[in-house]
Amino acid sequence: EIVLTQSPGTLSLSPGERATLSCRASQSVSSSYLAWYQQKPGQAPRLLIYGASSRATGIPDRFSGSGSGTDFTLTISRLEPEDFAVYYCQQYGSSPPGGTFGQGTKVEIK
Amino acid sequence: QLQLQESGPGLVKPSETLSLTCTVSGGSISSSSYYWGWIRQPPGKGLEWIGSIYYSGSTYYNPSLKSRVTISVDTSKNQFSLKLSSVTAADTAVYYCARHPYDFWSGYLNWYFDLWGRGTLVTVSS
Repeated sequence: EIVLTQSPGTLSLSPGERATLSCRASQSVSSSYLAWYQQKPGQAPRLLIYGASSRATGIPDRFSGSGSGTDFTLTISRLEPEDFAVYYCQQYGSSPPGGTFGQGTKVEIK
Repeated sequence: QLQLQESGPGLVKPSETLSLTCTVSGGSISSSSYYWGWIRQPPGKGLEWIGSIYYSGSTYYNPSLKSRVTISVDTSKNQFSLKLSSVTAADTAVYYCARHPYDFWSGYLNWYFDLWGRGTLVTVSS
């Protein structure tokens, strides 16, 4: 089973700043089957990125995903107040079918 | 706008069976374009996929939970359900239902989850 390690655990930034979140896999993620989700307290997780770099429907273009193999990045170009949340990565290229998730990175207001 | 809503007991006794239902509103669970899944998150821990089902009843389960999990679908009620037997404190978690895209014509199933419910906390305790 692939283990995903997200870093940093917490990112303290101000609105308008750039956020760079890392997701590192213990083994290569096949075909870049990597997704990113945003979760706010009391809300459902929201799909942001799938296939490592494809934005989901309705996701603003300030969110971008990149990477391949074992290293993946979610970048938020300019933080808006509504972007402060917890972000999770998921690999779905290997067993189990539903993949595995990272522990999350919290983006908080500095 | 399609929404998912989990429901069920918030407290289950050890060794008993956890039962949850996900109601799909604003759309049909019988869509050929989606599978429907359960995912959980123990307090302070990461997310874990439990299993998924198609409206026809075809299922996939996480091997780590397969011996204790049953997922079923009721298309007449637009619902799908989770049963997890012989629960212990380790099964205490927020349980989410979610959907993931399926290309009916190619038979290709995507395993990212594009719509989620808000989740429901289930505590296993006597």
